[in-house]
Amino acid sequence: QITLKESGPTLVKPTQTLTLTCTFSGFSLSTSGVGVGWIRQPPGKALEWLALIYWNDDKRYSPSLKSRLTITKDTSKNQVVLTMTNMDPVDTATYYCAHRQLGIAYAFDIWGQGTMVTVSS
Amino acid sequence: DIVMTQTPLSLSVTPGQPASISCKSSQSLLHSDGKTYLYWYLQKPGQSPQLLIYEVSSRFSGVPDRFSGSGSGTDFTLKISRVEAEDVGVYYCMQGIHLPITFGQGTRLEIK
Repeated sequence: QITLKESGPTLVKPTQTLTLTCTFSGFSLSTSGVGVGWIRQPPGKALEWLALIYWNDDKRYSPSLKSRLTITKDTSKNQVVLTMTNMDPVDTATYYCAHRQLGIAYAFDIWGQGTMVTVSS
Repeated sequence: DIVMTQTPLSLSVTPGQPASISCKSSQSLLHSDGKTYLYWYLQKPGQSPQLLIYEVSSRFSGVPDRFSGSGSGTDFTLKISRVEAEDVGVYYCMQGIHLPITFGQGTRLEIK
């Protein structure tokens, strides 16, 4: 059974750096065809894809946020970490991590519960 | 970026009646590998999105067969043959062929 859980601060100040951790079980990020992505959702708004990392350490970012994002993985700890610099109130959102696999056309098939991040001074 | 446009943005359906949601992409979602990378998700109130359909028409594990997907190229449809109370929430289409991955703006389904 695949599970993912996001963790990190609930409140950050403008200009600070946000660090979120996705801790997962039920799969390995060293298995070919597997990836983990980050998606966010501002309150009452639609979903926005942020970043992806694959089993081979291939990393992809949303072009609009690329300069602010870094995604890394720690295969031994079953974790993926997303950092976002220079946080702004418009970055207030629920942040989700999700499992992605080749076997189902690279769908985000299993999502974490999400973690709400508020950016405010 | 590929723009995903959903219609309608909301619909109210009587239990037992069908429902249909359209999703149009600004570019073809057909890959050179022959697959079309179009997905449908349902976000129930207070929950994370859950995968319903992948590759246009393949139902994900555990998804009831009253949900079906169809379409090709740039035009796609999600149909619910008989809406049930548990189907309330916001439905999103998503494309995964071109980066950045993009979602539709969502369609809210409520029960009459």
